[in-house]
Amino acid sequence: GESVGLHLPTLSVQEGDNSIINCAYSNSASDYFIWYKQESGKGPQFIIDIRSNMDKRQGQRVTVLLNKTVKHLSLQIAATQPGDSAVYFCAENRSGGYNKLIFGAGTRLAVHP
Amino acid sequence: ETGVTQSPTHLIKTRGQQVTLRCSSQSGHNTVSWYQQALGQGPQFIFQYYREEENGRGNFPPRFSGLQFPNYSSELNVNALELDDSALYLCASSSKQGASANEKLFFGSGTQLSVL
Repeated sequence: GESVGLHLPTLSVQEGDNSIINCAYSNSASDYFIWYKQESGKGPQFIIDIRSNMDKRQGQRVTVLLNKTVKHLSLQIAATQPGDSAVYFCAENRSGGYNKLIFGAGTRLAVHP
Repeated sequence: ETGVTQSPTHLIKTRGQQVTLRCSSQSGHNTVSWYQQALGQGPQFIFQYYREEENGRGNFPPRFSGLQFPNYSSELNVNALELDDSALYLCASSSKQGASANEKLFFGSGTQLSVL
């Protein structure tokens, strides 16, 4: 399939290093946030989510940090592997209605051996 | 794999034609959302279906319409295709419980539509 994110900002890291991908969200009323990973030719794959009553959540090799004061979200990937190479999107949602996610522009993560 | 399946995977149409894209939701999910992803951009919300009715719509014209069936599968229809409709169309399913809307979406692999 076609590549996703041909002109996106790129983060290049060495295999084994930690990666930090940042995202600024737009709506101060948003209270639910998700990180997705998208590989070429595939749909977005859920990585981790966090609600606004938390400021940190950990998964397997991934950590999401939420700073509501400056409307900033980050995804930390520990011991980055070649299989982590993809485009990463943050998405925000606001409760009280339907599940409409607003996606950020995306960041390409390139992992070098 | 998410269990969300979309068909077809690729489609080529000409300007002015109509297209129907299909989506089967993940087992146990009652809500389907459609997104449009242009090359190099994040997905943009088109609309969502819950209990066979449109339950929210993004900034897309009326020529974008949809259906949800009793088995929760869904169709996206686009009439009078324009060149700018060329994109990856993504279907996502989720499980809406009462008034709660904050459930993670599980995406299919999409249909790549090219309008010539």
